[in-house]
Amino acid sequence: AQKVTQAQTEISVVEKEDVTLDCVYETRDTTYYLFWYKQPPSGELVFLIRRNSFDEQNEISGRYSWNFQKSTSSFNFTITASQVVDSAVYFCALVNQAGTALIFGKGTTLSVSS
Amino acid sequence: SAVISQKPSRDICQRGTSLTIQCQVDSQVTMMFWYRQQPGQSLTLIATANQGSEATYESGFVIDKFPISRPNLTFSTLTVSNMSPEDSSIYLCSVEGGRGAYEQYFGPGTRLTVT
Repeated sequence: AQKVTQAQTEISVVEKEDVTLDCVYETRDTTYYLFWYKQPPSGELVFLIRRNSFDEQNEISGRYSWNFQKSTSSFNFTITASQVVDSAVYFCALVNQAGTALIFGKGTTLSVSS
Repeated sequence: SAVISQKPSRDICQRGTSLTIQCQVDSQVTMMFWYRQQPGQSLTLIATANQGSEATYESGFVIDKFPISRPNLTFSTLTVSNMSPEDSSIYLCSVEGGRGAYEQYFGPGTRLTVT
């Protein structure tokens, strides 16, 4: 069965701290896609990144970086020098076996204080 | 990415009534998805709606409770029928961005409270 686990329910940091959000996934597929979404208090889901299983290169986008490791089935997300605007719920997701929809983890609530 | 709008953005409804949520996309898409996010929880797929065919429902969701329409390639509706307080959730519409489920964009959501 496919599953996404985000073990961290809530994280609180102070501005300018670095923070890593963990994501562990389970799938029997050899080809799969992983995602991260951000959900600010407004409720809308914001797409952050998609990564396919063949590309294990780490990716950096500004203050965001992602570490994909197939050996440990993990796709962790790091925010460098966090800001108050980063406060949100962050979801990791995996495409389901049928390739028709996303399976979401339970989310990690990040609170960044000034 | 597609621009997606949902109506209403929020509503408070009485138990036993029904609410229809609309999802409008600014471009034609084949696949549209409806998700539910219960308070403090993650997102769960309700159904996939392809234009010209019946919606495909996930385990635990039935057409009588969540009828879906997909009259064209830019629009879909989800009805929450005979509501109970357990239906209080955010309902999100999502569309594929050209690569099916491999690229999904979400609407702003409809926040439903059932009293």
